Amino acid sequence: AQKVTQAQTEISVVEKEDVTLDCVYETRDTTYYLFWYKQPPSGELVFLIRRNSFDEQNEISGRYSWNFQKSTSSFNFTITASQVVDSAVYFCALSARVNSKLTFGKGITLSVRP
Amino acid sequence: DGGITQSPKYLFRKEGQNVTLSCEQNLNHDAMYWYRQDPGQGLRLIYYSQIVNDFQKGDIAEGYSVSREKKESFPLTVTSAQKNPTAFYLCASSIGLPQAEQYFGPGTRLTVT
Repeated sequence: AQKVTQAQTEISVVEKEDVTLDCVYETRDTTYYLFWYKQPPSGELVFLIRRNSFDEQNEISGRYSWNFQKSTSSFNFTITASQVVDSAVYFCALSARVNSKLTFGKGITLSVRP
Repeated sequence: DGGITQSPKYLFRKEGQNVTLSCEQNLNHDAMYWYRQDPGQGLRLIYYSQIVNDFQKGDIAEGYSVSREKKESFPLTVTSAQKNPTAFYLCASSIGLPQAEQYFGPGTRLTVT
């Protein structure tokens, strides 16, 4: 069975603060894929990043960075110098090698105040 | 423009009526998915289809039905057997591989009274 836990439910920060969104996953598969999606108020989910289980390199894309640690089964997402436009619900998700089904966490609502 | 369309954006129905939610994609994707989103619950998979004329139940299929007669279309019917149908419904598609990202439509908010 697969499980994704996003223990934080709501986070509120002031613009320009850094914020880290936590994601912990469980799977018995040795090959798996982790994803982060953003859901702005419009409702449509937007893909942010994918990481496979064999690639533990951290990734940086502009103000966004991701820290994947197999030892702690975590795939955390950091936004540096947050902006009001970052306000959204962020989902972490997991898929195993056998099919393309995604298991989602419950999401983290991020509010960035001006 | 390539993408996924869901219509309508808002849908209102009386209890006891079946209702069909539309999902169309022009991305030439093999796989399509239906999710339900409730406040604080994340996204839960209702049904998915890896190829035309084939589909599988997800985690919460009871009270729902789907068909996949065409590659680009994957309609979801919410039947009167679904006990709590009021929710936000999201359709997605992908190339069908485990490592492939899913592309989402704008969603349909269904309210049943």
